[in-house]
Amino acid sequence: AQSVTQLGSHVSVSEGALVLLRCNYSSSVPPYLFWYVQYPNQGLQLLLKYTTGATLVKGINGFEAEFKKSETSFHLTKPSAHMSDAAEYFCAVSDPGDYKLSFGAGTTVTVRA
Amino acid sequence: DGGITQSPKYLFRKEGQNVTLSCEQNLNHDAMYWYRQDPGQGLRLIYYSQIVNDFQKGDIAEGYSVSREKKESFPLTVTSAQKNPTAFYLCASSIVPGTDTQYFGPGTRLTVL
Repeated sequence: AQSVTQLGSHVSVSEGALVLLRCNYSSSVPPYLFWYVQYPNQGLQLLLKYTTGATLVKGINGFEAEFKKSETSFHLTKPSAHMSDAAEYFCAVSDPGDYKLSFGAGTTVTVRA
Repeated sequence: DGGITQSPKYLFRKEGQNVTLSCEQNLNHDAMYWYRQDPGQGLRLIYYSQIVNDFQKGDIAEGYSVSREKKESFPLTVTSAQKNPTAFYLCASSIVPGTDTQYFGPGTRLTVL
């Protein structure tokens, strides 16, 4: 089974600063990778996903992530944080052909004015 | 608009009672999923269904039951056998089972009194 590690349960950034959320996974084959965002008391919304092809993936709201096979990582970044980015972010992984998404524990982002 | 609806948004239950959480989708998706979310633990898969009249246990199925009599509906029953049912429950669906993007409903927060 896949294991997903999100480094840091809480991240605090200043408005306008870089947002960097880390995700590492355990897999012997290149998996499919997802980042979701969750606002309080709401469901999850897909930010971006990687399946095949270009390793730098652009998503909604100015976020992007890069798949690095050698590092088994899929870190999420946004160059300039906005107050509306305050939310919880989840990295999720699945093996090709598998039904199951394995989720990390989540990282809560707070944005300081 | 297409989407996933969950009801009720908040649910209170006395110990020893069974409760059923509703999940409906009009996206014409074949696959549907139920997840449980607890603080700091990410999402854990309870049950999933790849097609009508078929469903499979996920990682934490004990104390839960489901049915899939219609493509658009996948209700979850939390039984009295579930020892710690207080949690946020999320329903999701995908076009096909497996690595396709999962789309989430708004969630139901269940509290046992």
